[in-house]
Parts: sequence; structure tokens; C-alpha cells
Amino acid sequence: DTEVTQTPKHLVMGMTNKKSLKCEQHMGHRAMYWYKQKAKKPPELMFVYSYEKLSINESVPSRFSPECPNSSLLNLHLHALQPEDSALYLCASSQEWGGEQFFGPGTRLTVL
Amino acid sequence: KNEVEQSPQNLTAQEGEFITINCSYSVGISALHWLQQHPGGGIVSLFMLSSGKKKHGRLIATINIQEKHSSLHITASHPRDSAVYICAVNSGGGADGLTFGKGTHLIIQP
Repeated sequence: DTEVTQTPKHLVMGMTNKKSLKCEQHMGHRAMYWYKQKAKKPPELMFVYSYEKLSINESVPSRFSPECPNSSLLNLHLHALQPEDSALYLCASSQEWGGEQFFGPGTRLTVL
Repeated sequence: KNEVEQSPQNLTAQEGEFITINCSYSVGISALHWLQQHPGGGIVSLFMLSSGKKKHGRLIATINIQEKHSSLHITASHPRDSAVYICAVNSGGGADGLTFGKGTHLIIQP
């Protein structure tokens, strides 16, 4: 299995909702990443997990809460989001720190 | 923080033309990545390089560490090459994510 999967593909939520994004890989990669991409802009790094520990949090608001339950799975829990949080959320993984990254197809999030 | 600049921002060419996209960065890196993003969002890693030159099919990537510059070349371009090409760098120092350029929007016309 050489792919990164993300669910759901699309998500629409209200500002008071709680939802979660899921990312999974079965390539044995030990680093996993969350990126946010607004329309016509490059992706921006949000979080990096290495060996299931949070290594980097790029000053992301606390309404985004990452979780890495095991080496194959990465979640992003969402709560009390704002309309400006609407974006494509991309997950990626790499064998080790700084290695070639494999991206999932993304979850397109709309916050109403 | 590393600044990554790409040029051109937009490029339209005819099928069969030789394409060059340039990337420069401001601070020393551990690796540079070339990525391809099609409409709809999916990102594919084309190359990861830290020195020299790599070739895969019609794609060639080069990097000059001293000049902090990389190029992506596409030979015999085809309409299916139409996509956004993004340069990104690892600045090193551990489990870092990527710093991205703004991307080059390439359109190859038949």
C-alpha cells in the first residue's frame, strides 16, 4: 500500500460543530504532517508528528487539535471553527524526518 | 525563515515545447522538493534532491546549492502536464515540514 488516504473528502460544518478529519498511511512512515491550503495559495504547514509525538505546531489556533493515536493514523479535531478556516486540509507522510513526502488527496472543508 | 521564490508564476506553452521553471531560496536547506498539483487538489511528489540532477521520464530537476537555485525542466511537453508546479524546501534541523513557493501555473495547449 503506497498511498495516504484522507476522510472525508468534503466536509461542511457550522461554527458550533465538532468534527474530525482522518488521515491514514500503511507505508511504515514515522513522520506525518497536516497542511492547510487556501484557494490559489501554496499549502501552509500546521503540525508535524514524528514517531507519534508532536514535533512542530506552527502557532495554530487551539480550535484545531491534532492527535496521533498510532503510527498509521493522524486525526485533526475541529471545534468552534470560523468561516475563514474554510480550506483544503492536506495530510502527508514521510519515511523519516525531512524525507520525501507523500500527500493524501485532502479534505475540502467549508465552515458556514 | 526560508523564503522560496518561483518563476514564472504563470506559463502557457504549446505542446512539444521545452519548459523551465525556476526556484530560488534564501537560506541553506537539507533538501528541495518539486511537487505537482492538479485541479482538485491532489499533490504528487516529483523529485526530492539535495545536490546535482535527477531525471524521471520527461522531467529533469537540477539544483545548485552554492547559488541556492533549482530548475525543473519538462521536455516534449504535453497537455496532460498542465498543472501547478510547486517548489518546496526542508530547512533541516529535525522533523520539519516544508516551506513552499507560490507555485507556477503551467498550461500546455495542444
